[in-house]
Amino acid sequence: NAGVTQTPKFRVLKTGQSMTLLCAQDMNHEYMYWYRQDPGMGLRLIHYSVGEGTTAKGEVPDGYNVSRLKKQNFLLGLESAAPSQTSVYFCASSYGLRDIPSNYGYTFGSGTRLTVV
Amino acid sequence: DQQVKQNSPSLSVQEGRISILNCDYTNSMFDYFLWYKKYPAEGPTFLISISSIKDKNEDGRFTVFLNKSAKHLSLHIVPSQPGDSAVYFCAATSYSGAGSYQLTFGKGTKLSVIP
Repeated sequence: NAGVTQTPKFRVLKTGQSMTLLCAQDMNHEYMYWYRQDPGMGLRLIHYSVGEGTTAKGEVPDGYNVSRLKKQNFLLGLESAAPSQTSVYFCASSYGLRDIPSNYGYTFGSGTRLTVV
Repeated sequence: DQQVKQNSPSLSVQEGRISILNCDYTNSMFDYFLWYKKYPAEGPTFLISISSIKDKNEDGRFTVFLNKSAKHLSLHIVPSQPGDSAVYFCAATSYSGAGSYQLTFGKGTKLSVIP
């Protein structure tokens, strides 16, 4: 079972460059999320999607855009990368129904380590 | 304002002893609490959860306790093993409308189990 797959795993960008991080899940989950993890800051939600064609802002959305054109894919874009966006990015997915307690948790990908110089 | 707080950034425990990781929350609307475990260079993985209508949930060596009046939960690991060394995130969720819910995470506690 692949679960949640993130590509690439590592990337170095120059300030002002753009890139797209890809997240793919094969569990037929409705909900998908993008988080960033920084030292001493825990996991902070960037954007999320509650279904194909829908997206919403999370806690720290500035400087990022997302798209969910297909149910299994959730893309995170950086249009003009800044050093402040140096971080580890995690994608996650979950079922959206609250009456499935065994599936209440998220499944995370292994992360993308992004450095902006 | 941080709604889920893990005030101890790190914890060291001797192998075989009990590890107690603590978490406090401020939002009384949270109705489900979860613990995630994270190893270096991997994504967080779900460990154990508890509903707000319960005060204890046990799964093998892991037990989560919830004290709603104090807005406090704790994760007990007994006995602790070196393989438990990881960062543990506390998370909480509440219904956010439009048929959706979100997890709010604490900053994490790094557990080191010393052989």
